[in-house]
Amino acid sequence: GNSVTQMEGPVTLSEEAFLTINCTYTATGYPSLFWYVQYPGEGLQLLLKATKADDKGSNKGFEATYRKETTSFHLEKGSVQVSDSAVYFCAPPKVDQFYFGTGTSLTVIP
Amino acid sequence: EAGVTQSPTHLIKTRGQQATLRCSPISGHTSVYWYQQALGLGLQFLLWYDEGEERNRGNFPPRFSGRQFPNYSSELNVNALELEDSALYLCASSLAGLAGGRLRGYNEQFFGPGTRLTVL
Repeated sequence: GNSVTQMEGPVTLSEEAFLTINCTYTATGYPSLFWYVQYPGEGLQLLLKATKADDKGSNKGFEATYRKETTSFHLEKGSVQVSDSAVYFCAPPKVDQFYFGTGTSLTVIP
Repeated sequence: EAGVTQSPTHLIKTRGQQATLRCSPISGHTSVYWYQQALGLGLQFLLWYDEGEERNRGNFPPRFSGRQFPNYSSELNVNALELEDSALYLCASSLAGLAGGRLRGYNEQFFGPGTRLTVL
């Protein structure tokens, strides 16, 4: 069935390091893809989205490109900050399928 | 614009009791989703309501139930509580849902802060 495979954590990085969190999906034809973030003690919030193949979503220094040929939507940030410490979820937004998985926990140390 | 609200923030119950959790969606959103986030298990889909009807259900026993009211707010009920029901319960709302019986849209979900349920 349709599913998303996300890099397992936890991930620990030093401040200003480069971040990549891998996300691949098995289904084709998603109209868009999303990354959500959950900061400690909070609910999830949308971080960025790409609305079509080859589209790049960006927000708060994070970027992800919807690559149809590799069925990937990897999340990247050039220089992480302590405030980026959170759990990140790659999510397909189909209305009748809801799979957020366990997410990837990121801890950024000063 | 007010976001998704959930109540209560924390709920402590004992085994065998019933818990009722409430969610108010963003104004104009007709779809409400419920998720369970237990430690180490990620976000598990529980229920999806749209236009007052249950549209989809995750792999949870029947003692997890709910409803959606005419104003699109929603309630999640958990009967015969078990220790493993202890978790953060998240509600989300979305514009996505049904239109004329057909699925429409693939819009983002907006989450509430959650209700922390502890079963002793």
